[in-house]
Amino acid sequence: EAGVAQSPRYKIIEKRQSVAFWCNPISGHATLYWYQQILGQGPKLLIQFQNNGVVDDSQLPKDRFSAERLKGVDSTLKIQPAKLEDSAVYLCASSLDRSPADTQYFGPGTRLTVL
Amino acid sequence: QKEVEQDPGPLSVPEGAIVSLNCTYSNSAFQYFMWYRQYSRKGPELLMYTYSSGNKEDGRFTAQVDKSSKYISLFIRDSQPSDSATYLCAMTGPTDKLIFGTGTRLQVFP
Repeated sequence: EAGVAQSPRYKIIEKRQSVAFWCNPISGHATLYWYQQILGQGPKLLIQFQNNGVVDDSQLPKDRFSAERLKGVDSTLKIQPAKLEDSAVYLCASSLDRSPADTQYFGPGTRLTVL
Repeated sequence: QKEVEQDPGPLSVPEGAIVSLNCTYSNSAFQYFMWYRQYSRKGPELLMYTYSSGNKEDGRFTAQVDKSSKYISLFIRDSQPSDSATYLCAMTGPTDKLIFGTGTRLQVFP
């Protein structure tokens, strides 16, 4: 079974530029998550999708971050404009459904450096 | 106060040692407790999963949950250099929103 795919793996941009990350979840997984992991910290949930609808985006900085999941499969996360404090690893995860007992499978992440 | 507290380490042990990793939490609504392992430049992978209180064993790994003390532990027996990674505790309550600890970096030297 293929895992969660993410691209690009690394991205370096200057502050005020925009950037987009792509995620392809495990086939058949209805729930998709985007996490931000700052160096030395645990992942923090940014947004959660159930199929193509948003379930939770309470911690998403909506003035600069946006995300979509078209057709309930792939997802993109965008930052515009980027700030220095956005430097982090952006992890995508997917699970079969929304039950707490469903395992969340993580992708390898995209490491973003904002200069 | 953070919802989940975890000592960041690093923890350095010799091969074959017993490792104890711990987390405390403040939210009594948490019911599901996980341990994820994260190798450098990789995403976290689920290692152990426990519902409510009690112990769970899987090979060299044992997870313990003490809900009365709001304290969870992961024990690794006969630790190997390949166990060198960051170990993240995570927990959730009635919803599937995971709250992670900061992670403990473990290094097992030969």
